[in-house]
This record gives sequence, structure tokens and C-alpha cells, in this order.
Amino acid sequence: DSGVTQTPKHLITATGQRVTLRCSPRSGDLSVYWYQQSLDQGLQFLIQYYNGEERAKGNILERFSAQQFPDLHSELNLSSLELGDSALYFCASSVQGAGGYTFGSGTRLTVV
Amino acid sequence: AQSVTQLGSHVSVSEGALVLLRCNYSSSVPPYLFWYVQYPNQGLQLLLKYTSAATLVKGINGFEAEFKKSETSFHLTKPSAHMSDAAEYFCAVSDHGSSNTGKLIFGQGTTLQVKP
Repeated sequence: DSGVTQTPKHLITATGQRVTLRCSPRSGDLSVYWYQQSLDQGLQFLIQYYNGEERAKGNILERFSAQQFPDLHSELNLSSLELGDSALYFCASSVQGAGGYTFGSGTRLTVV
Repeated sequence: AQSVTQLGSHVSVSEGALVLLRCNYSSSVPPYLFWYVQYPNQGLQLLLKYTSAATLVKGINGFEAEFKKSETSFHLTKPSAHMSDAAEYFCAVSDHGSSNTGKLIFGQGTTLQVKP
């Protein structure tokens, strides 16, 4: 157990739907990062939050959004889902922005 | 902007043989470099990291990597492969420059196969 908890582990949904992925960071970690892993794109950085505020944005689609709550857990919202959104979504956390952070086990999203 | 190139998407070695996974980086600032391992259906686990201290970095499970600035490389090695080393390995560089976000830019990954 890495200390970073992601739920759910698996999610199957239909095109056009909306889903929410949840991440609880390791105790004491203020930064949360979201990554998408797919066969064709590899590991792509989506977005980072630090202590509740958005810190950096990567290749995140406008249909996707995220937030970090006062208790530091984070949610990634994916809407108007398309087949191409099927991927593994990872959350990672760190004390501060210095890399080498801890990953959760991921949420596998399948859009049918 | 930082980038990482992993040479060889697939590497196959025999059990007991040397493991060498290659990684070259590009960075406009002194880089922080990382190797992660991903076992099937699992998340990424940090093997080792270089953050401008010793150039030879030792990690978990007998792995080590050497930072070579002149070659812009950070290759991962292990003297003797074990069957349990079969996994996908990712090299990454950290964005700790002017933006200092700490986000990681990953290479495309190298799948290590270990043959008995």
C-alpha cells in the first residue's frame, strides 16, 4: 500500500456519460497530481493541485476538470465521455513540488 | 522544456544477466531524474531518483543509475536480472525550473522481459 488511495479501481461507463474519480493523498502530502496512461499516449500529466489551489495544467481536455478539497483529497471529473477517454488514470501525491512522489494504484476507465 | 527519451521499447535478458535500460534527457535547468517501475495492473513505484547529489544513485531491488551530464543520460542498471524484475520501466524528468511545479515528464517506457 503506497498510502495514496484511488477509488474506484475499475469503472465501465457509456459514451456521453460523466464520471468522478477520487484520490486521497498520502498523509501530510499537500500536492496532488493527475496523470492519464494510455497505450498510444503513454503517461500524460493532466493537472496539479497544491494545498487546494491549481498549480499546473497539462494536456487536460476542457471536458475534464479537477479540484482539491480542504481535507486535501482530490476529484477528477470527466464528462461527455468518448471511447478515446478509456485509459488508466493515476493520482500521485508529494509533500511539495519536487518530484519523486507516490502514485496510487490507478482507476481503469473503460468507455463503451 | 524538459523531455525524456527511452531507447528501446522492449528489452529481453536472461535471468542472471546484466540489465541495462537507457534513458536520455533534455533539460534547460539541472535536472531531477527518476526511474519508476510498473508491474502489471499496478501503479508506479519509485526505484530511485537523482536530485543533484551523488551522480551514482542506488535504488531498491538492486537497481542503480548513473547521471552523466556530458552524455545527458541516466541509464538504469542491475548486475543480475531476476524473474521478478519483469515489468515496465519509466524514466522521468521533473519540472522544477522556473515553474517549479514538480510535475514529471515521462519517457515512453521500456518493457523488460526476463527469460529463464
